[in-house]
Amino acid sequence: GAGVSQSPSNKVTEKGKDVELRCDPISGHTALYWYRQRLGQGLEFLIYFQGNSAPDKSGLPSDRFSAERTGESVSTLTIQRTQQEDSAVYLCASSLSRGGETQYFGPGTRLLVL
Amino acid sequence: DAKTTQPTSMDCAEGRAANLPCNHSTISGNEYVYWYRQIHSQGPQYIIHGLKNNETNEMASLIITEDRKSSTLILPHATLRDTAVYYCIVRANFGNEKLTFGTGTRLTIIP
Repeated sequence: GAGVSQSPSNKVTEKGKDVELRCDPISGHTALYWYRQRLGQGLEFLIYFQGNSAPDKSGLPSDRFSAERTGESVSTLTIQRTQQEDSAVYLCASSLSRGGETQYFGPGTRLLVL
Repeated sequence: DAKTTQPTSMDCAEGRAANLPCNHSTISGNEYVYWYRQIHSQGPQYIIHGLKNNETNEMASLIITEDRKSSTLILPHATLRDTAVYYCIVRANFGNEKLTFGTGTRLTIIP
């Protein structure tokens, strides 16, 4: 079946502009995660959605970052007033449930802020 | 999540078995050992996970020591496409399920 998909695959924007990144999880997966990976570094957790529960936003680095998820489907990560340090690969992962099931990752969106 | 220690880099000849070690001496009884890999410019790919018994799937085998303080990921017949960074992660399968990736082992398969 189809895996996690993300769009766009690449995004170049100017400092100060807003960007919106999209994630389509695997069908039937109720849990969805956003991570950030800066060049040459490990993954940083950003936010976690599980069903209709309140999301775990503990990893969001600033109030310029927000994310939404409609039911158990698509999620969008929005970065307002982008800064150069926001340049990174933004990865989305999904899993079956909150029971600690294996997370499957999408290909990521490569964001470059000029 | 408990910390893991992995070698920074390893080389392996094509066709040979690649054995990637991981130390997790502070692992808790309810924590699993997960392995992911990340090929250049791609998202992380799940490989295998286990609790205390050895596990095998179509990609790899996972050998966990009896005291669970270390494990070894085995790629039985490495190919050039196995060149990637391999991450060993320990996490409990409840509560906050975020993954904490360290720096991993950069495995290079030599032709």
